[in-house]
Amino acid sequence: DTEVTQTPKHLVMGMTNKKSLKCEQHMGHRAMYWYKQKAKKPPELMFVYSYEKLSINESVPSRFSPECPNSSLLNLHLHALQPEDSALYLCASSSRLAGGEVTQYFGPGTRLTVL
Amino acid sequence: KQEVTQIPAALSVPEGENLVLNCSFTDSAIYNLQWFRQDPGKGLTSLLLIQSSQREQTSGRLNASLDKSSGRSTLYIAASQPGDSATYLCAVYSSGNTPLVFGKGTRLSVIA
Repeated sequence: DTEVTQTPKHLVMGMTNKKSLKCEQHMGHRAMYWYKQKAKKPPELMFVYSYEKLSINESVPSRFSPECPNSSLLNLHLHALQPEDSALYLCASSSRLAGGEVTQYFGPGTRLTVL
Repeated sequence: KQEVTQIPAALSVPEGENLVLNCSFTDSAIYNLQWFRQDPGKGLTSLLLIQSSQREQTSGRLNASLDKSSGRSTLYIAASQPGDSATYLCAVYSSGNTPLVFGKGTRLSVIA
């Protein structure tokens, strides 16, 4: 199984809502990633978890709160978002942090719209 | 800071043509380089991963080369098909806090 799954596929939320994005993989990978991708732009790294610990936070606003409850799951909690946060949110995993023969596997993404 | 550039930004070719997509990076101290495909509104599909010690990798009609010293990689697609239409992203693994740096991609359209 080389699949990363993400739910929901689409999400529409208001600026006062609280919602969560979920990501799951069963490849035994110990590094998991959140990326944000705007239309016609490359993915931008947001967070990296290694062995369930946050190892990289790319200066992301606190209205985005990541959580890694176990080695297979990665959540992204959303609160008080702005319309400019509308984007495709991609989750990825790899066997370890990049530094060698490492391939990142990406999920299909969650299309988020903030009204 | 590592920067990745992809040329051209967009490419339209007739079906059956062979084509080359280019990727360049500023810092040659990389661990490896990965080519991805992305269909509109979808996630990324890994196509090829080239380690820094390798010169090329092949998968079916795809061949990726790496010249680490000059900071360049190419993705060669043979006998292009309409189903190859997508955005192709080059990404580099290098040292530092950001494990993966992406180029802006090349949007490919293969016309039947």
